[in-house]
Order: sequence, then structure tokens, then C-alpha cells
Amino acid sequence: DSGVTQTPKHLITATGQRVTLRCSPRSGDLSVYWYQQSLDQGLQFLIQYYNGEERAKGNILERFSAQQFPDLHSELNLSSLELGDSALYFCASSVSDLNTGELFFGEGSRLTVL
Amino acid sequence: AQKVTQAQTEISVVEKEDVTLDCVYETRDTTYYLFWYKQPPSGELVFLIRRNSFDEQNEISGRYSWNFQKSTSSFNFTITASQVVDSAVYFCALKVRSGGSYIPTFGRGTSLIVHP
Repeated sequence: DSGVTQTPKHLITATGQRVTLRCSPRSGDLSVYWYQQSLDQGLQFLIQYYNGEERAKGNILERFSAQQFPDLHSELNLSSLELGDSALYFCASSVSDLNTGELFFGEGSRLTVL
Repeated sequence: AQKVTQAQTEISVVEKEDVTLDCVYETRDTTYYLFWYKQPPSGELVFLIRRNSFDEQNEISGRYSWNFQKSTSSFNFTITASQVVDSAVYFCALKVRSGGSYIPTFGRGTSLIVHP
């Protein structure tokens, strides 16, 4: 158990809809990362937050947004969903934004868009 | 830009065979960090090892060993006497400083199937 909690574990929705994925980092970790894992793209970095502020942005679509709240949990919002958004979305956490160590990953949220 | 290449998409072995998973990385930074993660069928990524660019010492942990060679930009992972429980997808990752953060870049992963 990494200590990172993601909900929901599974989500099935239709094209055009909006969903919110939630992540609670490990106790004491201030930095949260979001990754998308799909068969054709592998593990793609989406965005990172540190102590409530956006720190780094990767290949995140404009239809996607995220935030980190004062209690350090984070949410990833996916809107106007398309079939290609079906993927496993991971949240990971680390102590700091300049962490050179490993990330601790949650179990992921599997999104299926029909 | 940094890049991680895991050329082996899938490897299939029989239990007790040794297997090496290849990882080749690209970066212009002199300070960087390399990692291996395991993703079992349950889905969660599990950290296996971290190595920084200044430490080329190879490491052995039980049946696992890692060979880091800066001259060839490789960080290969060997499992000795493989077991069925080793079946998983293995990811190599590279961390370099990008702006104010260290963001890992992952390879596409190698799926290891160990048959009994």
C-alpha cells in the first residue's frame, strides 16, 4: 500500500460527459502528479501541483484541468469526453516539488468512455 | 528533451530462466535520476530502484540486479531465476530538472510473462 488513495477505481461514462477523479496523497507529501496511461501512448505526464500551486505541465489537453486543495488532495477534471480519453489515470505523490526520489503511485482510476 | 526507450515490448520466459530488460535513455543534463517500476496485474506502480547519474555502481537485491552504464546511456534490469510472480509490466523512468520540478519521463514499458 503506497498510501496514495484514488477514487473512483472504475468509471464508465458517455462521450461528451464530464468526470472528476480524486486523489489523496501520502501523509506529509505536498506534491501531486497526474499521469495518463493508455495502450498507445504509454504513461504520459499530465500535470503537477505542489502545495496548492501548479508546478509543471505536460501533455494535458485543454479539456482537462486539475487543482490541489488546501488539505492537499487533488482533483483531475475531464470534460467533453471522447472515446480516446479512455485510459488509466494515475495520481502519484512526493514530499516536495524538487524531489529526486521515487514517486508513490495510487492504484489508478480506470475511465471508460462509451 | 529527455527520452526513455524500452525496445522490448514483451518478453516471454519459462520459470527459472534469467531475463534482462533493456532501458536506454537520452538527456543532455549531467544530473539525472533513473528508476525502475513494476506494474503487476493489479495495476499499481511499485518502485524498485533509483540510481543517480553520479553513481554507476551496479546493484543487486536478491534475484534483481541493475547495470547502469553511462557510456551507453543504459540502465538494464536483470531478473535471475524468474518466477511466475515476476510477471508484470516493468517501466524504466528518467528524472531531470525541468523548470522548478523534477518530472519523471517513462518508457513505454516491457511486459514480462513468466510461464510455469
